[in-house]
Amino acid sequence: AQKITQTQPGMFVQEKEAVTLDCTYDTSDQSYGLFWYKQPSSGEMIFLIYQGSYDEQNATEGRYSLNFQKARKSANLVISASQLGDSAMYFCAMSEGGAYHQGGSEKLVFGKGTKLTVNP
Amino acid sequence: NAGVMQNPRHLVRRRGQEARLRCSPMKGHSHVYWYRQLPEEGLKFMVYLQKENIIDESGMPKERFSAEFPKEGPSILRIQQVVRGDSAAYFCASSPRNPLEWEQYFGPGTRLTVT
Repeated sequence: AQKITQTQPGMFVQEKEAVTLDCTYDTSDQSYGLFWYKQPSSGEMIFLIYQGSYDEQNATEGRYSLNFQKARKSANLVISASQLGDSAMYFCAMSEGGAYHQGGSEKLVFGKGTKLTVNP
Repeated sequence: NAGVMQNPRHLVRRRGQEARLRCSPMKGHSHVYWYRQLPEEGLKFMVYLQKENIIDESGMPKERFSAEFPKEGPSILRIQQVVRGDSAAYFCASSPRNPLEWEQYFGPGTRLTVT
């Protein structure tokens, strides 16, 4: 069974507008972490934002915020005020188990990604 | 503090040859993860190592693939007798395994092309 589902293969947004990239996950663990990474055309993996399963507040990092809905098992990424440089692949990932709400590090399971294109 | 380093960045091998991919984790990190990304796909976990120990190799193909992280030197992912299906980007990530630092820091990847 797929652990991370990203249902949007591609998304388009106008520059300066906000965009939401969807991510749903599947786990029976109580302790887990959710991540978003950006992969530009140059290929590197850039960490954007993290949400722990026990975190009550939605994570925010600059223009990125994570809309965490635990009961729905969703962890959508919201990018506000899109910029041309935001055009890239975006991957949602999950790590299960361990003391994740305290940190620690286990293997990451990635979704298939969403290709975001920001239009001028 | 230098980031995670991987070399080579690009590697071309003929079918049947061996490929050796190297990963130097960030300073102070003792945990290394290897992931593979096939074209148009997300990253897939291969193996998790600590110094001199393989902790989790559940994502490694049963044959031709091996990994090590010696006491001294970089972590090595070795692919013997490469086939065209091994063509992919191979990423290494490192972690300090510190409860206050949960992020895995990724290297730039090695793009392997098998001709």
